[in-house]
Amino acid sequence: ILNVEQSPQSLHVQEGDSTNFTCSFPSSNFYALHWYRWETAKSPEALFVMTLNGDEKKKGRISATLNTKEGYSYLYIKGSQPEDSATYLCAFPNAGNNRKLIWGLGTSLAVNP
Amino acid sequence: EPEVTQTPSHQVTQMGQEVILRCVPISNHLYFYWYRQILGQKVEFLVSFYNNEISEKSEIFDDQFSVERPDGSNFTLKIRSTKLEDSAMYFCATRSDFGTSVGKNIQYFGAGTRLSVL
Repeated sequence: ILNVEQSPQSLHVQEGDSTNFTCSFPSSNFYALHWYRWETAKSPEALFVMTLNGDEKKKGRISATLNTKEGYSYLYIKGSQPEDSATYLCAFPNAGNNRKLIWGLGTSLAVNP
Repeated sequence: EPEVTQTPSHQVTQMGQEVILRCVPISNHLYFYWYRQILGQKVEFLVSFYNNEISEKSEIFDDQFSVERPDGSNFTLKIRSTKLEDSAMYFCATRSDFGTSVGKNIQYFGAGTRLSVL
């Protein structure tokens, strides 16, 4: 059974702090790893799709790295702002045409002004 | 920007009643999914739909569940006889099969329907 784990489960930081979270996933039969950002009452928003070992992607103050050999990805937020408060989810697609997503529990981030 | 639309945003129903959750996918997308998240648990896959048929379903997706695309646009999830444990947030997602290897992997989500079974 494929399992995706995320840590920490929740995080409270002050505005301006930098923070990071971890996603671990099965390292065998790797295809891709997705990061999503989900604010309450809104659609989960795709942040990154990562496919290559050693990949590093960046979107503004948010970046992510990928290690497929050891099965983990880090998401970094530099200089957190209150609008970064959300749940950050990682998901692992199965390798077939279907590409259903297997999800972690998410990291709930609260940024205090 | 194109988006996935789900209705209703919140549905309250009595145990044993039928509910239909609706999704309007992004127009040129070919793959459709339903996921759900029970409060405090991981998001879990229910079913995927491609070329007008189910391509994969999970163990959760039993005979009480069905999906269809009745008019070529709306994509619906029906629960025939709801149970208390069906209370969850239900998400529709769609995916194209065009573009870059990264782009065609992205699943676009609706804002969800919160189903409360009393």
